[in-house]
Parts: sequence; structure tokens; C-alpha cells
Amino acid sequence: DVKVTQSSRYLVKRTGEKVFLECVQDMDHENMFWYRQDPGLGLRLIYFSYDVKMKEKGDIPEGYSVSREKKERFSLILESASTNQTSMYLCASSGRARGFTGELFFGEGSRLTVL
Amino acid sequence: ELKVEQNPLFLSMQEGKNYTIYCNYSTTSDRLYWYRQDPGKSLESLFVLLSNGAVKQEGRLMASLDTKARLSTLHITAAVHDLSATYFCAVDSSGSRLTFGEGTQLTVNP
Repeated sequence: DVKVTQSSRYLVKRTGEKVFLECVQDMDHENMFWYRQDPGLGLRLIYFSYDVKMKEKGDIPEGYSVSREKKERFSLILESASTNQTSMYLCASSGRARGFTGELFFGEGSRLTVL
Repeated sequence: ELKVEQNPLFLSMQEGKNYTIYCNYSTTSDRLYWYRQDPGKSLESLFVLLSNGAVKQEGRLMASLDTKARLSTLHITAAVHDLSATYFCAVDSSGSRLTFGEGTQLTVNP
């Protein structure tokens, strides 16, 4: 079974702190994604990566950056956390097949609260 | 810009009843996915629909895809309480990312 592991299930940070959310997948997937999920807004794509050291902006990249130094690991970075970044963050991965994204496999999520 | 709309957004139904959740999308695609999310949990893949006319069934759930109408349906047969969850459809139109609908929160009452 595909396993996508997010390093922290719950985090509480203060405004202005730097926050790292880590995600590791064990299925040698090419594609990795970071979404945030908020009530009434569904899932919104922050960043994604289709290869090591490659990254693409999603729909709401402002205030975030990412790092993909190894194929299995995709990190989301909040350089200076703000209260409007309080949310559930979901990491996902997929294999690439026949030129399309493929089925996403999600991690358990990281619930971040910024005070 | 791809838009994915689900309706209804909230659905309360009685056990034993049938109902359908609709997923409409705005641009051409023949790749659509359904996910389930339980409260406080992450998303779990339910169905992968990869061509016009595709139909998949598992237990009391059946999903179908009509790419010409840009419509997918998730049909629930004889609902049971265990099906209470939020259901999301997601569309791949670019080959590099999925766009999700807002989700349908389903509550099945005894």
C-alpha cells in the first residue's frame, strides 16, 4: 500500500515563526502536492512538484514555499506564519502514467494553528 | 480556469434511501476521481474514472462519468450510517494536477 507520512499531525505556532511541514512517500511517486483545506473552501492547491528540485505554483502559493531535494520528500515552508494560515494541510503523491496526474494518495494531514 | 461544482453541498438522508451526488466541471476532461473524507481524517480514494461512460461500483456506491456532459454522478443505494462522510470529486484537465469540488457532506440518519 502507498504510504504518505506527514511529520506532524498537530502544530501550534506563533505569528512570525518559520514553520516546516514535512511529507514523505514510499512509493517512488514522481508527483507530490500540498493542499490546504478550510471549511467552506474545499481543497486548494498550494504547490506541487513533478520531479526532484522542480516545483510549480498552485492556486494559492502566496506566503508559502516548498522544497523537493529528494524524490520521496516534499516540504512546505511558511517563512513567517500568520493567523490566516491556520488550516489543515494535506500532502499527496501520485505516480505519472500515460501523461496524466494519476490517483492521489493523501497523508493524514497536519493541523496548524497560528496564534 | 477549471471549475468543479458539486451538488448538493449538504445532504441528510435516511437509512435505506437512495440518492445521487452530482459533479459538474467546466472544461474538457476524461479523468475524474471520487474521494471520501471522514471527520478529522484525510482523504481516501474511492473511484477512478478514466473514460467517457466509465462506471465503477463498490458496495452501495456507484460512480459514472459522462465526459460530453462534463458530469459525474455518485449514486448511493440503500444508505447506511457508515456512509456518513464528506465526498469530493476531483478533475484532471491538465495532466499535472487535480482540481477538487467543494465536497458534499453526507449524513445518514437511522
